[in-house]
Amino acid sequence: AQRVTQPEKLLSVFKGAPVELKCNYSYSGSPELFWYVQYSRQRLQLLLRHISRESIKGFTADLNKGETSFHLKKPFAQEEDSAMYYCALLSLQGAQKLVFGQGTRLTINP
Amino acid sequence: EAGVAQSPRYKIIEKRQSVAFWCNPISGHATLYWYQQILGQGPKLLIQFQNNGVVDDSQLPKDRFSAERLKGVDSTLKIQPAKLEDSAVYLCASRRTGGRNEQFFGPGTRLTVL
Repeated sequence: AQRVTQPEKLLSVFKGAPVELKCNYSYSGSPELFWYVQYSRQRLQLLLRHISRESIKGFTADLNKGETSFHLKKPFAQEEDSAMYYCALLSLQGAQKLVFGQGTRLTINP
Repeated sequence: EAGVAQSPRYKIIEKRQSVAFWCNPISGHATLYWYQQILGQGPKLLIQFQNNGVVDDSQLPKDRFSAERLKGVDSTLKIQPAKLEDSAVYLCASRRTGGRNEQFFGPGTRLTVL
């Protein structure tokens, strides 16, 4: 079964501290993984995807197939990073569809 | 480009009533998705359209939910009759064929069933 687990519903860190949002997945095959973000009063939007191996707004995420993880990291948190973060897996079997984790609410304290 | 549009933004109904939601995707996006997001959970796919055909509706409660995308553009999602557990945010998303597999989301419709 395809599943995405985000173990932390809430995460609070101080400005300037490192941030790591955890994501683990269950999928048979090679998944495509994403992080989506929802800022306050805005719509859900793509933050980054593992295939691009990019850094967006200082965030990076590395796919670890051995640990089936796709943790999101940022070395120095900023107040504007406060948001809801969702890890998602694109199932490539049959109809391509996104399976989302339950989300982590990140709060950056000044 | 204009984003995904949804209406209404909020709806309050009583159980056993019916309700309909409307979505207008980004122009040229062939794939359209409806998600249900219950409070405290991530979005769950209800139905996926490719142009005006259904690609996946395996998680759509077909005894009460229906959706259509008649001309391959706008889509409507209907619930009839509604239950208390249908209270959620209903998200519409669209994606163009090929490219980055990026889905673009609308603002959502928040449904409260009393």
